[in-house]
Amino acid sequence: GAVVSQHPSRVICKSGTSVKIECRSLDFQATTMFWYRQFPKKSLMLMATSNEGSKATYEQGVEKDKFLINHASLTLSTLTVTSAHPEDSSFYICSARGVGLQGAEAFFGQGTRLTVV
Amino acid sequence: DAKTTQPNSMESNEEEPVHLPCNHSTISGTDYIHWYRQLPSQGPEYVIHGLTSNVNNRMASLAIAEDRKSSTLILHRATLRDAAVYYCILRDNSGYALNFGKGTSLLVTP
Repeated sequence: GAVVSQHPSRVICKSGTSVKIECRSLDFQATTMFWYRQFPKKSLMLMATSNEGSKATYEQGVEKDKFLINHASLTLSTLTVTSAHPEDSSFYICSARGVGLQGAEAFFGQGTRLTVV
Repeated sequence: DAKTTQPNSMESNEEEPVHLPCNHSTISGTDYIHWYRQLPSQGPEYVIHGLTSNVNNRMASLAIAEDRKSSTLILHRATLRDAAVYYCILRDNSGYALNFGKGTSLLVTP
């Protein structure tokens, strides 16, 4: 199946700094990427949908100025957590949907565990 | 999106079959039934999906009720590596994001 790679897999940052998480589709072109957040022992919550070359669409309650999403190419989307605070500590997961991929399955990255201290 | 209901947790012995149920009484005619699983500290992975007929693949089987209001994911021989949270999700083929519920946490014991 198609491969989606996230980097870094885990990151620790100081409160007030910004962190960038990359999501790459390695063997297909991703026209749409989805960003999720998952708190401990909770389910995945959709944060935003990004389409290549256009602005991301954010879910209700997600601050677009805090969680900056850039989808500048068909193989890369980035999520930047700006001015991070301890409550932003979470597991962030991206998912990609591509052009011409067979089947209806979605492909997910391995996730990024963010800890803000 | 139509809602799904799954048990919070289930337990199985290794090498025995596991039947994970999912109720979706408000499913619409265009909704596919998808199953994903999430191993600890990893992103979800696709397991199987179907519309009306039962489906088999190398990972599992999906049994869909005739009225489509419920389905069952079948793992034929559980292994320790199958311990994960299993999500039953309804989605049409529009390509919008998957909406995850709470899923079923499967514990596999040796």
